[in-house]
Amino acid sequence: GENVEQHPSTLSVQEGDSAVIKCTYSDSASNYFPWYKQELGKRPQLIIDIRSNVGEKKDQRIAVTLNKTAKHFSLHITETQPEDSAVYFCAPYNTDKLIFGTGTRLQVFP
Amino acid sequence: ETGVTQSPTHLIKTRGQQVTLRCSSQSGHNTVSWYQQALGQGPQFIFQYYREEENGRGNFPPRFSGLQFPNYSSELNVNALELDDSALYLCASSPGSGGFVGELFFGEGSRLTVL
Repeated sequence: GENVEQHPSTLSVQEGDSAVIKCTYSDSASNYFPWYKQELGKRPQLIIDIRSNVGEKKDQRIAVTLNKTAKHFSLHITETQPEDSAVYFCAPYNTDKLIFGTGTRLQVFP
Repeated sequence: ETGVTQSPTHLIKTRGQQVTLRCSSQSGHNTVSWYQQALGQGPQFIFQYYREEENGRGNFPPRFSGLQFPNYSSELNVNALELDDSALYLCASSPGSGGFVGELFFGEGSRLTVL
C-alpha cells in the first residue's frame, strides 16, 4: 500500500521564523496533496492543498510545493506565530482515500 | 450551513461489547468517510460511503461496518471491541461524487475508550 512519511516529526521555531515540513509518498498515481492542521483536542482542518498539475501554491503565509517526479511535497509557513502551534498532517490522495502521514508537531515560541 | 456533527463525543466500553457511532454530514455533502486516529498517530482510513453504498475500504477487519442513510448521515459499528480499538473516530464529509474526494470536512470526533 501507499507509504507516507513526514519529516521532521517535531519542529520548534521562534516566532517570526519560517517552518518547512516535508512529506514523501510512494504511489505515483496520487494526484491530490493536502495539508491538514490539527490543534490539541480538535478536528483536522485543511489549510492548503495542491493538485498534481501544479508545482506551487501560496495562500498568505502558507505555501505548498510539489515535486511529482521525486514524490514529495512540502509545507512552508513563513512569519510563524504562536497560533501556528499544532500537529500538521500531509495526506496524499490514493485511489479513493486520503492517506495521512504520521504528523509533525510544530511549536512556535514567542 | 451546519458542519459535520458526531455523537457521542466520548464513550467507554468494555472488551467484547459493541458500539455505534453516528455522523451527520455537512449540508449538501453526499460522501462520508470514517477514520480512526489512535493517540499520537495520523488518522487511518476505515471506509467511505457514497449514496448508501460502501465504495472504499481500508485495512480494517469485518467487525468494523457502516451504513449511510438517504439523508447522507452515517453510522460506524464496531463489534467485539478490543483494547486497541480505543481511539478517536473521525467522520468526514465531502461534496464528491463517489470518485475524487477532494477536501474533507471533519467532525470533532467520538473518543472511544475500551477497558
